[in-house]
Amino acid sequence: EADIYQTPRYLVIGTGKKITLECSQTMGHDKMYWYQQDPGMELHLIHYSYGVNSTEKGDLSSESTVSRIRTEHFPLTLESARPSHTSQYLCASSENHRPSLAAETQYFGPGTRLLVL
Amino acid sequence: AQTVTQSQPEMSVQEAETVTLSCTYDTSESDYYLFWYKQPPSRQMILVIRQEAYKQQNATENRFSVNFQKAAKSFSLKISDSQLGDAAMYFCAYSGEKLVFGKGTKLTVNP
Repeated sequence: EADIYQTPRYLVIGTGKKITLECSQTMGHDKMYWYQQDPGMELHLIHYSYGVNSTEKGDLSSESTVSRIRTEHFPLTLESARPSHTSQYLCASSENHRPSLAAETQYFGPGTRLLVL
Repeated sequence: AQTVTQSQPEMSVQEAETVTLSCTYDTSESDYYLFWYKQPPSRQMILVIRQEAYKQQNATENRFSVNFQKAAKSFSLKISDSQLGDAAMYFCAYSGEKLVFGKGTKLTVNP
């Protein structure tokens, strides 16, 4: 399995709380991604980063924010959690030698299952 | 925008038999990559196989192979000698500017 880690694996939290989902990779990959996935459903890209100090919004609108201060770390933050945020969040990374293409294999973390009550 | 269609929400196969999962995609690009990812229940998403569009030869990884038909924009996955551990959600993905996933096919392997 790839060296990409996510914490926590499971989180149950009340409405209105601020949460940060952690994602770290030890492969030195430049490009990192956050996906949202409801159980048994497709993945939707919500954020990505080309490298340090780079963050972009994905295809699915999300109230979350991300930061990329270090190459290996790409945390996702929800300022005020709501029940509609309940989902699984997957982090991924890739080498991306070709900057215009997401051509490189993406390595996924184990995911964080979030339940907002 | 690119789209990926997996027309089989669920498939089942007997252990040791062969199964084919279908995937079609829509794009106007000529340079892209295609992937099959596997997501076992409550486990990590992992890459099964990858195909570069400029390569005519179909990719193969042990029991997994693809049938890549570029003109038809088709990219099916064949699993030979199916094993119980192959049971998972399988996602087809297209990679141009971003990675676009299909809705997935849930594969059940019956003993």
